[in-house]
Amino acid sequence: DQQVKQNSPSLSVQEGRISILNCDYTNSMFDYFLWYKKYPAEGPTFLISISSIKDKNEDGRFTVFLNKSAKHLSLHIVPSQPGDSAVYFCAASGARGQNFVFGPGTRLSVLP
Amino acid sequence: EPEVTQTPSHQVTQMGQEVILRCVPISNHLYFYWYRQILGQKVEFLVSFYNNEISEKSEIFDDQFSVERPDGSNFTLKIRSTKLEDSAMYFCASSEPRDRGTTGELFFGEGSRLTVL
Repeated sequence: DQQVKQNSPSLSVQEGRISILNCDYTNSMFDYFLWYKKYPAEGPTFLISISSIKDKNEDGRFTVFLNKSAKHLSLHIVPSQPGDSAVYFCAASGARGQNFVFGPGTRLSVLP
Repeated sequence: EPEVTQTPSHQVTQMGQEVILRCVPISNHLYFYWYRQILGQKVEFLVSFYNNEISEKSEIFDDQFSVERPDGSNFTLKIRSTKLEDSAMYFCASSEPRDRGTTGELFFGEGSRLTVL
């Protein structure tokens, strides 16, 4: 039972354009979400977070949108750069828990 | 910048052998975690540890697994009798509690690759 889904295993985007990575969750108790980026042979690196009291959070080129009613969040990267090429994971946590459930990841390729 | 460090970076072992993976979390963090990623699959939660005891564990974390904080700095994952399917990248992570007003994100180490032959 996948509680956190990232239905696109891969995404290719031209440099300078917007990358949109999507994430859906099934557990209505999730109230806190993180996005991580992962390069091969490295640990995941935190990018940006959002809690359920917000519907948007922005940090530089990265913006995360949360639609609680649809149980959907998305990460927007604009403009995309070749160095953004990596696997992106969405992770979710409930109010009481400190651990996060990770989605399967989306491999982003930014083409020069 | 403080970071989570893990040793060894790669360990090869024979099936049935015991393995200990070591982690040094960020010093002022209170929550510690182990996750794993089997090649080509998603990152899976194994266990979280707080206040010297397990706070949550997944169904993957069976009796073959144990965690320990033997001193004030190290956090270890022991696999008592390794199986072929234990081959994976094991990630240690640490975090501050969210009620401290932080984002509560997990800071991950670089991972320890375990290969069971």
